[in-house]
Amino acid sequence: GENVEQHPSTLSVQEGDSAVIKCTYSDSASNYFPWYKQELGKRPQLIIDIRSNVGEKKDQRIAVTLNKTAKHFSLHITETQPEDSAVYFCAASIDTNAGKSTFGDGTTLTVKP
Amino acid sequence: GAVVSQHPSRVICKSGTSVKIECRSLDFQATTMFWYRQFPKQSLMLMATSNEGSKATYEQGVEKDKFLINHASLTLSTLTVTSAHPEDSSFYICSASSYSSANEKLFFGSGTQLSVL
Repeated sequence: GENVEQHPSTLSVQEGDSAVIKCTYSDSASNYFPWYKQELGKRPQLIIDIRSNVGEKKDQRIAVTLNKTAKHFSLHITETQPEDSAVYFCAASIDTNAGKSTFGDGTTLTVKP
Repeated sequence: GAVVSQHPSRVICKSGTSVKIECRSLDFQATTMFWYRQFPKQSLMLMATSNEGSKATYEQGVEKDKFLINHASLTLSTLTVTSAHPEDSSFYICSASSYSSANEKLFFGSGTQLSVL
């Protein structure tokens, strides 16, 4: 089955700096890669996703890049703000079955004011 | 985006009792819903896929007689933890997929913190 590894497990940055979280996956059939943000005790929320037919996607301060050959994808947050502090999960799946995504172990991001 | 409602948000029960958790898709129909378990500071672990009108599909290692899933309508799935024990204490989250711009996306319920005494 699919195996998703996520790094780092914790990340602390100063407000205004950039944050990068990286994930690798093992199943070359995976073609849908969402990123979720989860605040403590709350639901994961989709913040950005990318499909394998593109290499990069951007939404304001958030961007995701995908390297299909190397089987890795990354989340980039620029101009970080304290409210970006949360746990971020990457996931990989075949896009017709997003619910059966395999999730990374999560990255706890702390943005210091 | 689509809204998934989950209740209760928190439940405390005695060992040996059963607990039912509800997951509803409020503004869309969900033929498939998913149930996850999440331990503190850990990732989401898929427990089972709930299929409307048919039996749920359980992931390896998940006891189907322990975690009963019913998906009787296109907007409601329930997870019943039967004869709960302290080791069942965890954060349980449901999700449902909805199509946005012809692509499938996943929307999560708010989670249920189960504490078994």
